[in-house]
Parts: sequence; structure tokens; C-alpha cells
Amino acid sequence: GENVEQHPSTLSVQEGDSAVIKCTYSDSASNYFPWYKQELGKGPQLIIDIRSNVGEKKDQRIAVTLNKTAKHFSLHITETQPEDSAVYFCAMYTNTGNQFYFGTGTSLTVIP
Amino acid sequence: EAQVTQNPRYLITVTGKKLTVTCSQNMNHEYMSWYRQDPGLGLRQIYYSMNVEVTDKGDVPEGYKVSRKEKRNFPLILESPSPNQTSLYFCASSFRRNEKLFFGSGTQLSVL
Repeated sequence: GENVEQHPSTLSVQEGDSAVIKCTYSDSASNYFPWYKQELGKGPQLIIDIRSNVGEKKDQRIAVTLNKTAKHFSLHITETQPEDSAVYFCAMYTNTGNQFYFGTGTSLTVIP
Repeated sequence: EAQVTQNPRYLITVTGKKLTVTCSQNMNHEYMSWYRQDPGLGLRQIYYSMNVEVTDKGDVPEGYKVSRKEKRNFPLILESPSPNQTSLYFCASSFRRNEKLFFGSGTQLSVL
């Protein structure tokens, strides 16, 4: 199957600092790139997404950037708060196989 | 309330004893899918369904079966569970195939 590489696997930041998580992919047929947040004991929840015809999208403290040429996309969280602590997954949807592929996750800890 | 409901939440069974994990959504979504989550591997797609009576294999389908007789239900069947199927399972649905996924709360399965 297709591969999505996600880095870093763990990330600790001080409250108020920014956090950046990066993902790379290889399938040129990928056209939808969502990011999910998973809190302990719960299912993943979408926090932001971007389609292949857009380079950047922002929603308050969260932003996603996409570089289709280089095949990578990133999640940016500014002014981090303790409640941002969770596991974050990047994902991509590809028309090759009509399915989603997920990164391996980043465990973010925001230190008060 | 719009949701994806999975049951049971926790399941302990023995090798070879057939089991079914149920999944139901109340949002009239066309696309439904099953994932397993293992440490360090992220979420991997087991099976997906584009609509009623249309199912297809994901990346890790071996040992699993699904059916989609009604739009709202998408059960996951393990005919003869083995210990390597011990995992956290998630059902998810979306209005269409490359749109936001809504996840259930998960089923923690242990096969002894």
C-alpha cells in the first residue's frame, strides 16, 4: 500500500510556543489531506483538512500547509495550550485504491 | 446526535471463536471503513465500503470479513480470531469517499 511518513513521533513544547508536525507521501493521485487529533480513550477527530488545489488553510490557532510538488504537508499549532496535548495523525486520501492512509502519529505534550 | 456507534467497547476472546464487532452511523453516510490501530503503526485500513453492497479490501484484510446490507451498518467479522488480531479497532464513516471521516469510540480486542 501507499506510505505516509510522519515526524516527529513525540514532541514536547512549552505552553504558548508553536508546534509543527510534518508528513510526506509518495502517491501523486492523493488529493485530500486531513489531520486528526486523538485524545486518550477516544476515536480520532478531524481538526483541519486541505485539498490538493490549495496551498494553505488556517483555522484560528491551527494551520495546514501543502506542497504538492515536494509531496509534503505540515500541521502548525500556535500559542499551544495544555488541552492541545494529544496524539495527532496526518492522513491522505488517494484515488489509487479509494482509501485513506494514515501517518504513524505524533504524541504532543504541552508543558504548562 | 450525529455519531458512529461501535459495540462492544472491550472484548476478550479465545483463538478460533467467531466474533462480530458492530458499527452503525446515523448520518446517512455513503462511505464506511474499518481500521486497526497498533503502537508505532498508526491506523491501517482493513476494509471499506463505498455504498450498500459495495465493499473492498484495504491494506490489511486478511482474517477479516465485512458486509454492507444496509447503508447505516457495517459490521466487522472475525471468523477465526488469532492472537495477532489483538488490537484497537475503529469504525469510521464519511458522506463521500474523500471527505471528513467520523470515527467511533473504538473496540479494544484481545485474542488469547
